[in-house]
Amino acid sequence: SAVISQKPSRDICQRGTSLTIQCQVDSQVTMMFWYRQQPGQSLTLIATANQGSEATYESGFVIDKFPISRPNLTFSTLTVSNMSPEDSSIYLCSAAQGIDTEAFFGQGTRLTVV
Amino acid sequence: DQQVKQNSPSLSVQEGRISILNCDYTNSMFDYFLWYKKYPAEGPTFLISISSIKDKNEDGRFTVFLNKSAKHLSLHIVPSQPGDSAVYFCAASRPTGNQFYFGTGTSLTVIP
Repeated sequence: SAVISQKPSRDICQRGTSLTIQCQVDSQVTMMFWYRQQPGQSLTLIATANQGSEATYESGFVIDKFPISRPNLTFSTLTVSNMSPEDSSIYLCSAAQGIDTEAFFGQGTRLTVV
Repeated sequence: DQQVKQNSPSLSVQEGRISILNCDYTNSMFDYFLWYKKYPAEGPTFLISISSIKDKNEDGRFTVFLNKSAKHLSLHIVPSQPGDSAVYFCAASRPTGNQFYFGTGTSLTVIP
């Protein structure tokens, strides 16, 4: 298994500002992902963070709004840009060793935009 | 388009009895299925998985059943314990794939 540390655990931000969330894994992993869980809804995949190249975004998510970095096999960041109250959500980092293996999750970042 | 569905948002079960959580999916390409448990203010934790080549996988008190023809899976918890009270998500992935599709979750309450 992998232990994933995510920070900050929560933040309250002003609209129009940006927040960068960090995700650190205690071992090298093949895959890292970013999810969002809006109130009362399921986990929705934002993007797959690719090491050394641009992230792969799911439909409805764009790089300008959610830039992602993955400089190595243990670390990734997600930035929520130009925030609005609709971005208030829990953001979760996830990591997996490969296809058909379980994914592990960080504890999440609870973001409130006011 | 919700490809993985959990139609029961909540379930209450008496301690010691069986909890059955259900999950349906629409994409026949899914070949790997997982169950996660989530406590408030924590990330989901992996519980149990099953590959599409099997129809049952057991781990202690937890058993997952897969019915491919019905595109249905279920998680059985026997016996249920108060510490099992949490939100349970089912998830699925495709052979190519590096992403997981999650259901909306079922909140399980085990009553002492």
